[in-house]
Amino acid sequence: GENVEQHPSTLSVQEGDSAVIKCTYSDSASNYFPWYKQELGKGPQLIIDIRSNVGEKKDQRIAVTLNKTAKHFSLHITETQPEDSAVYFCAATLVGSARQLTFGSGTQLTVLP
Amino acid sequence: EAGVAQSPRYKIIEKRQSVAFWCNPISGHATLYWYQQILGQGPKLLIQFQNNGVVDDSQLPKDRFSAERLKGVDSTLKIQPAKLEDSAVYLCASSSGPGQGNTEAFFGQGTRLTVV
Repeated sequence: GENVEQHPSTLSVQEGDSAVIKCTYSDSASNYFPWYKQELGKGPQLIIDIRSNVGEKKDQRIAVTLNKTAKHFSLHITETQPEDSAVYFCAATLVGSARQLTFGSGTQLTVLP
Repeated sequence: EAGVAQSPRYKIIEKRQSVAFWCNPISGHATLYWYQQILGQGPKLLIQFQNNGVVDDSQLPKDRFSAERLKGVDSTLKIQPAKLEDSAVYLCASSSGPGQGNTEAFFGQGTRLTVV
């Protein structure tokens, strides 16, 4: 089955700096890669996703890049703000299959004011 | 629109006791998921319903866990008897369509279970 590894497990940045979180996946058939943000005491919330037919996607201060050959994808947050502090999870699956989303282990991002 | 509702928010039980969690998905969402999230890990799918039928329960420990979704709306997840390793947050999610990735899954706040 699919295995998703996520790094780093913790990340501290100064407000205004950029943050990058990286994930690798094992199953080359996977074609959908969402990123979730989980704030303390809340459920995960989808913030951005990418499908394997594109290499990059942006939404304001966040972007995701995908390298299918290397089987890794990354989340980029620019101009970080204290409210970006949360746990971020990457995930992977094959759209249209019965396969579930496989999540990474999470990254605790702390934005220091 | 109202989000996914879960109750209770917190539960502390002794090992070998039983416990039940309740989930009310977003109105009209046909697909409902239960996830287990152990501290420091990503969510792991326990069971997926499409309306009131089970789509995937391959990772549900069926000797102690059970789930049902009567009338294709609300769902309950039960653990009997509980073990210490069941301590986790139990998340419910719903989506309007089948298959993860076809439509966005919305998560509830979760139930934090502590087994002592």
